[in-house]
Amino acid sequence: IAGITQAPTSQILAAGRRMTLRCTQDMRHNAMYWYRQDLGLGLRLIHYSNTAGTTGKGEVPDGYSVSRANTDDFPLTLASAVPSQTSVYFCASSEKSGGAGELFFGEGSRLTVL
Amino acid sequence: GQNIDQPTEMTATEGAIVQINCTYQTSGFNGLFWYQQHAGEAPTFLSYNVLDGLEEKGRFSSFLSRSKGYSYLLLKELQMKDSASYLCAVRDRDYKLSFGAGTTVTVRA
Repeated sequence: IAGITQAPTSQILAAGRRMTLRCTQDMRHNAMYWYRQDLGLGLRLIHYSNTAGTTGKGEVPDGYSVSRANTDDFPLTLASAVPSQTSVYFCASSEKSGGAGELFFGEGSRLTVL
Repeated sequence: GQNIDQPTEMTATEGAIVQINCTYQTSGFNGLFWYQQHAGEAPTFLSYNVLDGLEEKGRFSSFLSRSKGYSYLLLKELQMKDSASYLCAVRDRDYKLSFGAGTTVTVRA
């Protein structure tokens, strides 16, 4: 069982370039999330989607966009990367109906913007 | 929004007990979670509390007091593999999860 797959694992990017981080889940979870993790700041929510076709802004959405065309995929796009977007990005999913609804995380994408 | 506080670092000896406290302020509480994250890895789910009281799961227990905006994670019989960062997270009514900055626990022999 793959769970959540993120790609790429690591990327170095020139400032001003466009970048899409891919996230795919095979658990048929209805909710998906993108977080960034920076030293001393913890995980901060960028965007989320409670169900296919809907998205919402998290705590730090500026400079990022997402789409949720289907249940499985939730790509995160940086339209014009800046050095402050250097971070580790985690995609996560959860099942909202029943149980704890805990988040399952992908392995992360380490992005460096120069 | 959420305001979540937890200590930055804790150190304990193998076999001992460590308690990690977490305080939070929230506009709409819908559950408190603890996650474990080893260096360079993704966070993994440890525990969930939505009602007041203690939830025990093996060597790990988590406590919640909603009226006090307070939780703790108790790690018993510490092992070297427990050296990790422990993340307190609060969920709101929109099912968004906000995380504290994490507590790095170092277990020494």
